[in-house]
Amino acid sequence: GNSVTQMEGPVTLSEEAFLTINCTYTATGYPSLFWYVQYPGEGLQLLLKATKADDKGSNKGFEATYRKETTSFHLEKGSVQVSDSAVYFCAYTGTASKLTFGTGTRLQVTL
Amino acid sequence: DTGVSQNPRHKITKRGQNVTFRCDPISEHNRLYWYRQTLGQGPEFLTYFQNEAQLEKSRLLSDRFSAERPKGSFSTLEIQRTEQGDSAMYLCASSPDIAGNTIYFGEGSWLTVV
Repeated sequence: GNSVTQMEGPVTLSEEAFLTINCTYTATGYPSLFWYVQYPGEGLQLLLKATKADDKGSNKGFEATYRKETTSFHLEKGSVQVSDSAVYFCAYTGTASKLTFGTGTRLQVTL
Repeated sequence: DTGVSQNPRHKITKRGQNVTFRCDPISEHNRLYWYRQTLGQGPEFLTYFQNEAQLEKSRLLSDRFSAERPKGSFSTLEIQRTEQGDSAMYLCASSPDIAGNTIYFGEGSWLTVV
């Protein structure tokens, strides 16, 4: 069935380290792909999105490229900050723009 | 634009009681969604509305759950005879009626059933 698979966390990095969070999806057709971020005790905030193959979404130094051939949408950031500590969710939209989420990856950034 | 608003933000209830959550979507957003999120998991789809019509319901939405959007604006999610397994965060989201458009989430309503 349709699903999203994310790398398990927590991911612990030192400040200014390079971040990669892997995400692959299984879906029919050409879904739109999203990364959402959730800070402690809060709802979900859209981080970035890509709507077609080879599109690159970017925001706040984060980037992800829609790779149709590998069905992937890995999240990257060149230099993480303590304030980036949060849970990151990869998701795609299917019918009626309904989102299907991965289980989330917790990122902890230390000084 | 104030974003998606949910209330109450937190609710503690005794098992067997009924609870109701309200969601006010972003104005002019035709689509409204309800999701449920338990600790350590991603949000799971419950149901969605196109204007006032409820077009899809997940199998997660048991008979004890009912959602309405009577005038195509705000929505309510009611849980009857709550069980401890209902403890979760209930997220509301809205979007315009455009394929692939961004879905905007509220801050969620935490339910604890004791």
